[in-house]
Amino acid sequence: SYVLTQPPSVSVAPGQTARITCGGNNIGSKSVHWYQQKPGQAPVLVVYDDSDRPSGIPERFSGSNSGNTATLTISRVEAGDEADYYCQVWDSSSDHYVFGTGTKVTVL
Amino acid sequence: QVQLVESGGGLVKPGGSLRLSCAASGFTFSDYYMSWIRQAPGKGLEWVSYISSSGSTIYYADSVKGRFTISRDNAKNSLYLQMNSLRAEDTAVYYCARDRGSSGWGACGYWGQGTLVTVSS
Repeated sequence: SYVLTQPPSVSVAPGQTARITCGGNNIGSKSVHWYQQKPGQAPVLVVYDDSDRPSGIPERFSGSNSGNTATLTISRVEAGDEADYYCQVWDSSSDHYVFGTGTKVTVL
Repeated sequence: QVQLVESGGGLVKPGGSLRLSCAASGFTFSDYYMSWIRQAPGKGLEWVSYISSSGSTIYYADSVKGRFTISRDNAKNSLYLQMNSLRAEDTAVYYCARDRGSSGWGACGYWGQGTLVTVSS
């Protein structure tokens, strides 16, 4: 089955840039979606189809995808960005959605 | 505005059954693919099941295949998850989610607030 691997945690100072990676075999051939989840809340879509943002999501959130790694970049990090982040793809070989292992972003 | 409200969660004994419902409003329900996604306490997100807009195409995670059944009633704007032969490892918050777009196999653009299922004796 297809596996998506994320770093368990990323720490970043306010105003700096956080980069969260999502590794998968030839993930560059798939569309990657990213979700933000704050404690006790449902996930929120922040990037879809590798690099598009839903309406209402700040431009500070951006995505890229190539080769075996997709990346969510959060620029000018704010305290309110502290959350868990998950990547997701549709694996057509198994007809399954797959979520990444999740990354906890801590704002120092 | 899009609203998804789950119900039906609760405490059930191992081997028991439960039926979750998701009431949708604020959009044309019959146009969109829908998912069930769960999250065990303190754990990550796990996709459970996916159903096409008409209900003709259905997929399940290996962990629930043969035990869970997803269905929808487009006339009632409702999504369901029938869960049988429940195990302790099925304990989780269950979310229903709507595809962002209407073409299927896309991102989950809208989520409900979830309903907690606890499987314990």
